[in-house]
Amino acid sequence: EADIYQTPRYLVIGTGKKITLECSQTMGHDKMYWYQQDPGMELHLIHYSYGVNSTEKGDLSSESTVSRIRTEHFPLTLESARPSHTSQYLCASSEFAEGGFEKLFFGSGTQLSVL
Amino acid sequence: SQQGEEDPQALSIQEGENATMNCSYKTSINNLQWYRQNSGRGLVHLILIRSNEREKHSGRLRVTLDTSKKSSSLLITASRAADTASYFCATADRGSTLGRLYFGRGTQLTVWP
Repeated sequence: EADIYQTPRYLVIGTGKKITLECSQTMGHDKMYWYQQDPGMELHLIHYSYGVNSTEKGDLSSESTVSRIRTEHFPLTLESARPSHTSQYLCASSEFAEGGFEKLFFGSGTQLSVL
Repeated sequence: SQQGEEDPQALSIQEGENATMNCSYKTSINNLQWYRQNSGRGLVHLILIRSNEREKHSGRLRVTLDTSKKSSSLLITASRAADTASYFCATADRGSTLGRLYFGRGTQLTVWP
């Protein structure tokens, strides 16, 4: 198992609430990612970071925001949750594998349900 | 879409049988990776094959890559019930400086005891 942790594992909240999904890794990886995954669908990259104070939006438009104040910590925040945000959110970090290509390590995910 | 597409969407076999999953993609790639996801968990990296490689083995896993057809296959030999999971292929585009991986929808493999 990789040393990357997500909390909470499950979250059920009402519409309009502000939430923060936590992600921490102890591997010292500079690059970190947030993916969104719906059942039977591909993973969509919503945010990524190449290091402290570096954050970028991914391929899928998302109303969430992220911050990277410390290398090990990459939280995702929804200012006002809506039912359309219901999904599984996966955090990942990467290291260079053989040949200089990146290999991802994933957390266990947060299953978010917005009522 | 840049993502790979796995085929079949679902596969159900008996323990001891071999499982073959396929992945097709659209762009030129640097490498292709296969990941496994147990229900309710994150993805775990299984194997990486570079664009200049045609076949690679790791334990009971065998991956092939045909860049002319833009396709890859993952073979799991002598499957076990514990192999039950979703399997995703992920591609890294050639020329991309970001090293970003694009994932398909996955193949759901069920291995019956």
